[in-house]
Amino acid sequence: SQKIEQNSEALNIQEGKTATLTCNYTNYSPAYLQWYRQDPGRGPVFLLLIRENEKEKRKERLKVTFDTTLKQSLFHITASQPADSATYLCALDRGGSYIPTFGRGTSLIVHP
Amino acid sequence: GAGVSQSPRYKVAKRGQDVALRCDPISGHVSLFWYQQALGQGPEFLTYFQNEAQLDKSGLPSDRFFAERPEGSVSTLKIQRTQQEDSAVYLCASRLANEQFFGPGTRLTVL
Repeated sequence: SQKIEQNSEALNIQEGKTATLTCNYTNYSPAYLQWYRQDPGRGPVFLLLIRENEKEKRKERLKVTFDTTLKQSLFHITASQPADSATYLCALDRGGSYIPTFGRGTSLIVHP
Repeated sequence: GAGVSQSPRYKVAKRGQDVALRCDPISGHVSLFWYQQALGQGPEFLTYFQNEAQLDKSGLPSDRFFAERPEGSVSTLKIQRTQQEDSAVYLCASRLANEQFFGPGTRLTVL
């Protein structure tokens, strides 16, 4: 069956360090992968999209990698700040259907 | 409005009641999605509209769930004879290109 796996344990890091979050998937052949941020009581907010033929994408302090051989995406936040504390969700399209399927998300806590 | 809005933000229903949740997407966005999000989980797909056409309703958990978008803009998710397991946050999103814009959600609590 299709699975998207994100660490269920919260990631705690110190301000200024780089946070790295992982998204693994099985039995998918996604055309693209997305990362979203979700704060408590709010809907997810789109951050980045990376396509299957792209290895890496950057946006300000964010960097996403996509390895279709390992079936894994890594999401990095450099120079992390307490304001980066949130839950980060990865989402894969369902085989070109343009309907994203979400992982459960990983909570990031950045300590001052 | 500037973003996707949903109403009500909070709804408490007694088991067996019917509820209706409303979504106002971003003006001009053709695609609209409904998701259900349980505590500690990611959003689970319920249904998808392109304009007024419901193209995929494979995620609706039972025939008690019904969604419509009659004029291709505002959408309503209706849940009949609510059960406790329906308690969740219901998220609506509209899409432009491959980016989804989510509303704040409606938190439904069934007692």
